[in-house]
Amino acid sequence: DSGVTQTPKHLITATGQRVTLRCSPRSGDLSVYWYQQSLDQGLQFLIQYYNGEERAKGNILERFSAQQFPDLHSELNLSSLELGDSALYFCASSVDRGTGLTGELFFGEGSRLTVL
Amino acid sequence: GESVGLHLPTLSVQEGDNSIINCAYSNSASDYFIWYKQESGKGPQFIIDIRSNMDKRQGQRVTVLLNKTVKHLSLQIAATQPGDSAVYFCAETPYSSASKIIFGSGTRLSIRP
Repeated sequence: DSGVTQTPKHLITATGQRVTLRCSPRSGDLSVYWYQQSLDQGLQFLIQYYNGEERAKGNILERFSAQQFPDLHSELNLSSLELGDSALYFCASSVDRGTGLTGELFFGEGSRLTVL
Repeated sequence: GESVGLHLPTLSVQEGDNSIINCAYSNSASDYFIWYKQESGKGPQFIIDIRSNMDKRQGQRVTVLLNKTVKHLSLQIAATQPGDSAVYFCAETPYSSASKIIFGSGTRLSIRP
């Protein structure tokens, strides 16, 4: 158990809909990362938050947005869903106290999104 | 599991033999590299990391080698066990910026009994 909790574990929805994925990081971790894992593209970095602020952005679509709340949990919002958005969405957290990077990300078990 | 179906290169190794998984990176700005293991149905798990001021680092049964000249790193697993079956990803990032960690495409390691 990594200590990172993601909900829901599975989600099935229709094209055009909007969903929200939730992530609770490990206790004390300030950084939250979101990754998308699809069959043909591996693990794609979407976005990183550190202590409530956006720190880095990857190839995140404009239809997707995220935020990190004061209690450090994070939500990834996916809107106007398309078939190609079907994937596993992982959240990860790290200590990242700002004194140096640790590459040790702790991943949740993922949220599997199926768009029909 | 969730990683089944990924179109990945596969390495098949006899149980007890050593495994060598290779990774090429392209970003010259990357100076920090990490290996992750993803078992079926689980999220990736940190194995070992290395900074560019080193060319070798050892952990428990694993060794990472870094060749900056050709932008190549490898993960060596000694005495491969059935529990080592997984997809292995290398990842890279610029150490100083503490920013996004980019994952490679992964290699599936399967163990023959």
